[in-house]
Amino acid sequence: KAGVTQTPRYLIKTRGQQVTLSCSPISGHRSVSWYQQTPGQGLQFLFEYFSETQRNKGNFPGRFSGRQFSNSRSEMNVSTLELGDSALYLCASSPRGRDSPLHFGNGTRLTVT
Amino acid sequence: DQQVKQNSPSLSVQEGRISILNCDYTNSMFDYFLWYKKYPAEGPTFLISISSIKDKNEDGRFTVFLNKSAKHLSLHIVPSQPGDSAVYFCAAHGGATNKLIFGTGTLLAVQP
Repeated sequence: KAGVTQTPRYLIKTRGQQVTLSCSPISGHRSVSWYQQTPGQGLQFLFEYFSETQRNKGNFPGRFSGRQFSNSRSEMNVSTLELGDSALYLCASSPRGRDSPLHFGNGTRLTVT
Repeated sequence: DQQVKQNSPSLSVQEGRISILNCDYTNSMFDYFLWYKKYPAEGPTFLISISSIKDKNEDGRFTVFLNKSAKHLSLHIVPSQPGDSAVYFCAAHGGATNKLIFGTGTLLAVQP
């Protein structure tokens, strides 16, 4: 079974631009979550989608948004990029959510210059 | 407010010995706990989990212990192998959502 696939692996953007990251979950998994990893803050929850609906959202500004499609694939968008948005963005999927472990992709490394 | 804490940023162990990684939490609503291993440039890999209705769960060389009264969990790796060298994160969630709260990680180095 293929794992969680995230594209692209690396991205360099300049301040003020916007970016879209993509995630394909494990086949059959309906829950997709996004996390931001930075050296100072560790792994921080961004949001979770289940059956195309946002089920939970972390403490990030509205510049961070996402969506999930009917095939469970998900995208995350960050608008008006800031230097502090430089991070590893991780997508994770699970079959149903509660009490099932998240399976992570290898992430997208975003650098904002 | 750090609800999940891993107070040891690093740990060094000899090959073949036991590795014990610790994690403390503050939120009594947490009822499901997980351990992940992370190599550089890769995403975290799920290792083992435990529900709050249990106090121990084993999977091969990995055992997780949960002490609810102390709000403490630990991961034991026996015997430790050089390939176990990685950053280990504990994570927790509770309530109706799948939102995981992660600790800051412990870098384990297993010396041959």
